[in-house]
Amino acid sequence: IAGITQAPTSQILAAGRRMTLRCTQDMRHNAMYWYRQDLGLGLRLIHYSNTAGTTGKGEVPDGYSVSRANTDDFPLTLASAVPSQTSVYFCASSDIAGGPNEQFFGPGTRLTVL
Amino acid sequence: GQNIDQPTEMTATEGAIVQINCTYQTSGFNGLFWYQQHAGEAPTFLSYNVLDGLEEKGRFSSFLSRSKGYSYLLLKELQMKDSASYLCAVNDNDYKLSFGAGTTVTVRA
Repeated sequence: IAGITQAPTSQILAAGRRMTLRCTQDMRHNAMYWYRQDLGLGLRLIHYSNTAGTTGKGEVPDGYSVSRANTDDFPLTLASAVPSQTSVYFCASSDIAGGPNEQFFGPGTRLTVL
Repeated sequence: GQNIDQPTEMTATEGAIVQINCTYQTSGFNGLFWYQQHAGEAPTFLSYNVLDGLEEKGRFSSFLSRSKGYSYLLLKELQMKDSASYLCAVNDNDYKLSFGAGTTVTVRA
């Protein structure tokens, strides 16, 4: 793999179900991020991790949890999905070492909660 | 909180120039990014400004005025493939990005 990958590509989920969105990067970036993108609202940060073993809350963290057991993987879990979590989810990574801190984005996961 | 404003939509003709403005009020500032996002795809990096002035990269240029909380992205010699959303994002002091809602640019023949 090259860059950053996400799985699944899309998913339809019943409300109340648990769901984990997967994100893996092979660029050895120390920082990783989860965003949701909704029409008219742009990208909003859910959770982030500046290094393996640490995580932080973004702008819209409620209903989501993350873990960062190693450098490459940053899964996002919805413990009990609700229809308002219907969105496109993007994972991103960056190398925090001075400089621009450009973020690279995965292809996204389109999630529909019914 | 963070407040980043950009126009919702712009339309221009192939070969023309379009300027997308972005104003911001944020609790911290460590640079401003512009990303391009085609429909159904991921955002991709276009430009970065941390000091005042103009950064030029081929047909695309980006300008920053920190004192005014203002940036613009200039797209020259527009091509049909430039039809996309353009996202303005501010990097805060903790390496997090706050995004504007995006400007959808439509290029017409």
